[in-house]
Amino acid sequence: NAGVTQTPKFRILKIGQSMTLQCAQDMNHNYMYWYRQDPGMGLKLIYYSVGAGITDKGEVPNGYNVSRSTTEDFPLRLELAAPSQTSVYFCASSLGQGFSYEQYFGPGTRLTVT
Amino acid sequence: QKEVEQDPGPLSVPEGAIVSLNCTYSNSAFQYFMWYRQYSRKGPELLMYTYSSGNKEDGRFTAQVDKSSKYISLFIRDSQPSDSATYLCAMSLPTSGSRLTFGEGTQLTVNP
Repeated sequence: NAGVTQTPKFRILKIGQSMTLQCAQDMNHNYMYWYRQDPGMGLKLIYYSVGAGITDKGEVPNGYNVSRSTTEDFPLRLELAAPSQTSVYFCASSLGQGFSYEQYFGPGTRLTVT
Repeated sequence: QKEVEQDPGPLSVPEGAIVSLNCTYSNSAFQYFMWYRQYSRKGPELLMYTYSSGNKEDGRFTAQVDKSSKYISLFIRDSQPSDSATYLCAMSLPTSGSRLTFGEGTQLTVNP
């Protein structure tokens, strides 16, 4: 199993550009999550999904959008990139209710907005 | 006030030392308590998980939860250079299911 995969690994965006961060998992997990990690700030939940077609906002959803059309994929869309979105983005997945404490993380995408 | 407070360090210890990492929290409803380990430029991975109060041991690692003090700890015995990483505490409510609240992380270096 590849686990949780994320693409791209690195990206530099100009202010106002848009992009999609890709996330896929091959563990047949129901729950998927997007976090951002800023230096000294821990992990902040952006969006999460409890199954295909179901998404919900986390702590810091502004400026982002998600969709979940399949169990495997959970892309994160950035519209009109701003310098405040410079961060490391992690996608994670877990088996489901009762097992959400064990989240499997991808390797991350390092995004710089200039 | 942050829901979860964790001293970011950095913490530097010699090989073989006992390491103590701690988090405090403000929400008494938290029931699940986790420690994740994150190596440099990698995603976090679950190290230990505890439900409610008590201790849990796994090899050189011991997790403690004191709900009366809203305080959790991770102890590492006989620390090794391979333990050098950032350690993040995380916790969740019994009803929220999928949402974890993370501390800032403590950066640990174990020197050979």
